[in-house]
Amino acid sequence: GENVEQHPSTLSVQEGDSAVIKCTYSDSASNYFPWYKQELGKRPQLIIDIRSNVGEKKDQRIAVTLNKTAKHFSLHITETQPEDSAVYFCAASVGGGGADGLTFGKGTHLIIQP
Amino acid sequence: NAGVTQTPKFRVLKTGQSMTLLCAQDMNHEYMYWYRQDPGMGLRLIHYSVGEGTTAKGEVPDGYNVSRLKKQNFLLGLESAAPSQTSVYFCASRPWRETGELFFGEGSRLTVL
Repeated sequence: GENVEQHPSTLSVQEGDSAVIKCTYSDSASNYFPWYKQELGKRPQLIIDIRSNVGEKKDQRIAVTLNKTAKHFSLHITETQPEDSAVYFCAASVGGGGADGLTFGKGTHLIIQP
Repeated sequence: NAGVTQTPKFRVLKTGQSMTLLCAQDMNHEYMYWYRQDPGMGLRLIHYSVGEGTTAKGEVPDGYNVSRLKKQNFLLGLESAAPSQTSVYFCASRPWRETGELFFGEGSRLTVL
């Protein structure tokens, strides 16, 4: 099955700086790569996703890049703010509708230092 | 429109007891999932269902059973709870059309003593 590795497990950055979280996946058939944000005690919520036919996607301060050849994808957050503090999960899903669900990385705890 | 609702939100069990977690969604989604979340382990898929009357095993199915008798409900059962099943359980759903966003419930925190 799919295996998703996520690094780092903890990331501390100064407010206003950029943060980058990296993931690798094992199944070359995977074609959908979402990122979820989970605040303490809350449910995971989708913040951005990318499909395999696209190399980069941006949404305001958040961007995701995908390198299918290397099986890498990354989350970039610019101009970080205190409300960006949370745990972030990457995930991957095999095509064909992905009925068997997403395989998640183990998460990155992002800490924004004032 | 409540989305995905899980009950109960919290439960404490003794080893060997049984219980059922209920997930209900009002979005007419075909696919439903049960995940467990443990510190440092991310979210791991227990079981899933692609439609009423069908279920399938995920990554960590042992010790759990599921049923999907109605499209809107997905039940997760623990027949004989063990301390290793102490976790936060999340239900999620999505439509069948194409791979996309999972809609999560608020989670159910289960402690097995």
